[in-house]
Amino acid sequence: DTEVTQTPKHLVMGMTNKKSLKCEQHMGHRAMYWYKQKAKKPPELMFVYSYEKLSINESVPSRFSPECPNSSLLNLHLHALQPEDSALYLCASSQPPLSGTGASGASYNEQFFGPGTRLTVL
Amino acid sequence: TQLLEQSPQFLSIQEGENLTVYCNSSSVFSSLQWYRQEPGEGPVLLVTVVTGGEVKKLKRLTFQFGDARKDSSLHITAAQPGDTGLYLCAGVYAGNNRKLIWGLGTSLAVNP
Repeated sequence: DTEVTQTPKHLVMGMTNKKSLKCEQHMGHRAMYWYKQKAKKPPELMFVYSYEKLSINESVPSRFSPECPNSSLLNLHLHALQPEDSALYLCASSQPPLSGTGASGASYNEQFFGPGTRLTVL
Repeated sequence: TQLLEQSPQFLSIQEGENLTVYCNSSSVFSSLQWYRQEPGEGPVLLVTVVTGGEVKKLKRLTFQFGDARKDSSLHITAAQPGDTGLYLCAGVYAGNNRKLIWGLGTSLAVNP
């Protein structure tokens, strides 16, 4: 059983729709991530939140808008998407990586993923 | 430029065969992780290796981190159909630990 949950499991939307993806983690982690993944490719990082603050935006188009209401929740708001945005959207969590090196597991950025939301944009 | 080269990209074998997947870089990583992903699911962390020369075993899976911490391998003994999936290596680059650097993945099919 995963301790990172994502809803919905599947989503079909038109290019003019507004929808949201939701992620919740119960692991006490303070870093959360959004990834986009195409079939048989590695996940592509979109956003990173650390201690509820946006710390990385990988030049993602503004039609994707992340939100982190609290340390357990992460949302991705979608608006005016394109068909090429169809993909598996993955949420992950980890302990925030420590700056520099260290013996703590937090510096290893071990990430725990949810099952994903399969998004289809028509 | 791909920081982590993973090979082979695709592998189709018969049940009972052994296989090795490689993850190589010209850069030093402070740690390297292996994930396994089944279709329609998220990646699942299998192991993290952090010390040069380290070997870790997980049942029929053996993971090794190179002495110089620039490469890693995953060896599966007597593969089973349940091992089918996408295997991904991901590293924490010594220069930036805020995000993982991903290999391109190895899609493994184990046929009964």
